Amino acid sequence: KAGVTQTPRYLIKTRGQQVTLSCSPISGHRSVSWYQQTPGQGLQFLFEYFSETQRNKGNFPGRFSGRQFSNSRSEMNVSTLELGDSALYLCASSLYPAGEEAVLTFGAGSRLTVL
Amino acid sequence: GDSVTQMEGPVTLSEEAFLTINCTYTATGYPSLFWYVQYPGEGLQLLLKATKADDKGSNKGFEATYRKETTSFHLEKGSVQVSDSAVYFCALGNQGGKLIFGQGTELSVKP
Repeated sequence: KAGVTQTPRYLIKTRGQQVTLSCSPISGHRSVSWYQQTPGQGLQFLFEYFSETQRNKGNFPGRFSGRQFSNSRSEMNVSTLELGDSALYLCASSLYPAGEEAVLTFGAGSRLTVL
Repeated sequence: GDSVTQMEGPVTLSEEAFLTINCTYTATGYPSLFWYVQYPGEGLQLLLKATKADDKGSNKGFEATYRKETTSFHLEKGSVQVSDSAVYFCALGNQGGKLIFGQGTELSVKP
């Protein structure tokens, strides 16, 4: 059974550019969550999608957005990149909507470096 | 708001030593508690979980007990191996559908 697949694994952008990251969940999983991991702030929740609807959103500026397609694949986009957006972006999927007991399966992440 | 506090690392142990990584939480309601592990260059893997007070989660020799009275979920292992070297994250899952993570504790096990 394939795991959560994130692409690209590594990318380098410059300030002001935009970036799109992709996440393919485990087959059959309909919930996709995104997290940002940085050395200073640790792991922070970005948003969660279930059946193409955003269910929950973390405390990030509007430059961070996402969407989910009918096949459950998800993309997140960051516009007008800032140096502080350099991070590992982790995607996680679950069968049911993320809730108190949901077990999330994480991908290996997309490491974004902003120069 | 909900939060998780872990002991700071790095923690360095010799092989076969006893491991404890402390984790305490603050939450409204009755969250589920998790331990995730991250190996170098990889994403997070679920290590164990507990969904209610006094539950004990266990996996691969690791254990943690959900203690409501002390709001704690300490991770323990009786005998660590070099292959256990990784970063360990304590997390709580709340009604809002998101995981709230601690800062992570890096464990290094020397042969």
